[in-house]
Parts: sequence; structure tokens; C-alpha cells
Amino acid sequence: EAQVTQNPRYLITVTGKKLTVTCSQNMNHEYMSWYRQDPGLGLRQIYYSMNVEVTDKGDVPEGYKVSRKEKRNFPLILESPSPNQTSLYFCASSLSQMETQYFGPGTRLTVL
Amino acid sequence: GQSLEQPSEVTAVEGAIVQINCTYQTSGFYGLSWYQQHDGGAPTFLSYNALDGLEETGRFSSFLSRSDSYGYLLLQELQMKDSASYFCAVRSRADSWGKLQFGAGTQVVVTP
Repeated sequence: EAQVTQNPRYLITVTGKKLTVTCSQNMNHEYMSWYRQDPGLGLRQIYYSMNVEVTDKGDVPEGYKVSRKEKRNFPLILESPSPNQTSLYFCASSLSQMETQYFGPGTRLTVL
Repeated sequence: GQSLEQPSEVTAVEGAIVQINCTYQTSGFYGLSWYQQHDGGAPTFLSYNALDGLEETGRFSSFLSRSDSYGYLLLQELQMKDSASYFCAVRSRADSWGKLQFGAGTQVVVTP
């Protein structure tokens, strides 16, 4: 089944404790992206990747890192999480940056 | 900079027609997409317009006017399952091809 998976789905952590949210797609998509969703603000793009080893900042990259060592995986890293990073996070992928995006199920992160 | 505006909420009865407007300000506009998101779920793609005019997909249609920087999503024969949030999203050449900007979303409430 073609899909985008994210892990974990739910995470409660404390300020400053490094964490990684994984994202994997099995559709051989070149383009992958991370979004955060907060009430009243819609989806805001954090980082995106046009292909392996090619990443770039979205609109809200501060406090986040990404890597794209393999085509299928695009992990989101929070080196020192803070409470303002409490949010719902979505990973998405598409054949190219111009194509329809397929979203993962989301990761609900709470930083205390 | 870029901005998208859409109404925050629309309420309608089953069987009715709802139009969700989206106005945008961006340089290098390329296309307008629409996504649907049910509570607690992932956004799913509905439609995409790169050229002026109407695109029809079953009960849903999307319209774009590039000269007016305006588009809309039309939901016909509303069903209870259409209760969800609907997001417009703009892809533009501004800054980078890889960026995708979403509106804040319109909550559609369908009543019996």
C-alpha cells in the first residue's frame, strides 16, 4: 500500500531533550516536506527536500533540523525542544514539488 | 510577502451548495490547490488549478481567476461527511519552487 508513515504518532517530552520524528514514504517520491499545524494558523512549512541531500528552509525553520540521506526517509530533528514547538506535525511527499502531496497521519508533540 | 485569505467557518444544511473563497497575494504565482482535512486526520488532496477556469471532480469543483488573484472551491449536494476543514494552498516561484503556502483553513459544518 502506497503511504507516508510517521513515528511516533504521539509524544510528550520535556524542554531541552533532543528528539527525532521519523518520516518514511514507499512511493519513490523525490519531494518531501514537513509542516506544523496550529489552531487558526493552518499548515506552515518547516523544511522541504527536493531530492536526496537537497534540503531547504520553509517558512518556520527555526529550532528544527532535517536530513535526507535516502530517498524514502526525511526525519525531523528538534535538538532542544521548547514549549512553543508543541504542535501537530505532518510529513508529506510527492513525485515532484509541483505534484499533489500525500500526507502522513501526523505526530502530536507536547513539550512541557 | 505572500498571503492567503479564506473564511474561517461556513455552515450549511445537507443537500445545499457551499462556496469557499480564497484570495491570495504572491509574486510568481504558479497554481492553487485545495485540501480537505477531517478532525484528527491528515490533509488529503482535492483539486489543483494552474489555469483560469473551472475544474470539476464529482460533487467538488474548483475555480481560478489569475487576474483577480482569486479562487474558490464549490461543494455541491452537501453530505454530512463533508464536514471538515478545507485549505487553499499556493505554489509560487517566489523565494523557491519548493515552498508551498497554506491558508488558515475554512471549517465547513454540515447540519441535518
